[in-house]
Amino acid sequence: AQSVTQLGSHVSVSEGALVLLRCNYSSSVPPYLFWYVQYPNQGLQLLLKYTSAATLVKGINGFEAEFKKSETSFHLTKPSAHMSDAAEYFCAVSVSGSARQLTFGSGTQLTVLP
Amino acid sequence: GAGVSQSPRYKVAKRGQDVALRCDPISGHVSLFWYQQALGQGPEFLTYFQNEAQLDKSGLPSDRFFAERPEGSVSTLKIQRTQQEDSAVYLCASSLGTAADTQYFGPGTRLTVL
Repeated sequence: AQSVTQLGSHVSVSEGALVLLRCNYSSSVPPYLFWYVQYPNQGLQLLLKYTSAATLVKGINGFEAEFKKSETSFHLTKPSAHMSDAAEYFCAVSVSGSARQLTFGSGTQLTVLP
Repeated sequence: GAGVSQSPRYKVAKRGQDVALRCDPISGHVSLFWYQQALGQGPEFLTYFQNEAQLDKSGLPSDRFFAERPEGSVSTLKIQRTQQEDSAVYLCASSLGTAADTQYFGPGTRLTVL
């Protein structure tokens, strides 16, 4: 079975600073990896996904993530934080086969300080 | 186009009552998923449909939980004899069908059991 670990349940950055949210996965087969963002009282919105094409994936709102198989990581970055980036971020994994569901990490709450 | 919609958005039930939560997926999406999100946690998988067939219900926490998608479109998650531990946000997601496809989430139904 696959799993996801997100290091740091809360991350604070200053506006304009680098955002780095960590995600490590465990999977016995090649994974598909996703980052979702959740704003208060809303559903999850896809930021980006890795599906075995390019290892550096660019998403919406200036976010990107790099798939590193040797490190089993898929960390999310953004060069310059905006106040509007404050939200909860979830990393998730799925694998091909009969089980199509996403397995999520426990989330990282991002706070952006003025 | 329209996204995934869920109703009601909020539901308060007394312990022991039955509840029914509705999900309208994106038109043409073959796969439909239900997740449960406890406060401060990532979503956890409940069950998965491909068209009208329920292919995986391994995440349903007890036999009080039942889901259906009779015509391969709208789905209903039913919880019988609700308990306080059922209090959570119930998220519905739909996708085109493969594990690599993006799952689009609805806004969720927040269930509070008193």
